[in-house]
Amino acid sequence: DSGVTQTPKHLITATGQRVTLRCSPRSGDLSVYWYQQSLDQGLQFLIQYYNGEERAKGNILERFSAQQFPDLHSELNLSSLELGDSALYFCASGQGQRENIQYFGAGTRLSVL
Amino acid sequence: GENVEQHPSTLSVQEGDSAVIKCTYSDSASNYFPWYKQELGKRPQLIIDIRSNVGEKKDQRIAVTLNKTAKHFSLHITETQPEDSAVYFCAASPNQAGTALIFGKGTTLSVSS
Repeated sequence: DSGVTQTPKHLITATGQRVTLRCSPRSGDLSVYWYQQSLDQGLQFLIQYYNGEERAKGNILERFSAQQFPDLHSELNLSSLELGDSALYFCASGQGQRENIQYFGAGTRLSVL
Repeated sequence: GENVEQHPSTLSVQEGDSAVIKCTYSDSASNYFPWYKQELGKRPQLIIDIRSNVGEKKDQRIAVTLNKTAKHFSLHITETQPEDSAVYFCAASPNQAGTALIFGKGTTLSVSS
């Protein structure tokens, strides 16, 4: 167990809908990273938060947004869902300062039908 | 931005043989290079990492080598076992203030007994 908790494990929804994925980082970690894993694209960095502030953006669509709350948990919001958004969404956490070691949660598998 | 290429995409070996996976990166500022192992349906797990001030690092049957001049790094697994079968990902990032990881597309390693 990495200490990073993601919920839900599975999510099935329809096109056009909106979902929220949740992540709780390891105790003491200030940074949360969101990654998308699809079959043909590997692990793609979406967005990073550090101590409540957005720090970096990767290949995140405008339909997607995220935030990190004062208790350091993070939520990834996906809206106007399309079939191509079906993927595994991983959250990772790290200290975010001197080191860059990242530990991954178990992921949320999103199926858009 | 950083780009990481990984080869081969699939690798089949006999139990007891060695396996080598190679990655190249493009950003000379990158100085942190982790390797993750992902079993089917599971989270990526950090198995070994190396920083740019080190040329080689070993942990039991796995080792990683780094050539900063050529911008490539490799994972070596000796005496492979069936439980080594998984997808292996290399990644790179500048090791400053917890920046995001840029991943290669992965290598599917199959170890047959």
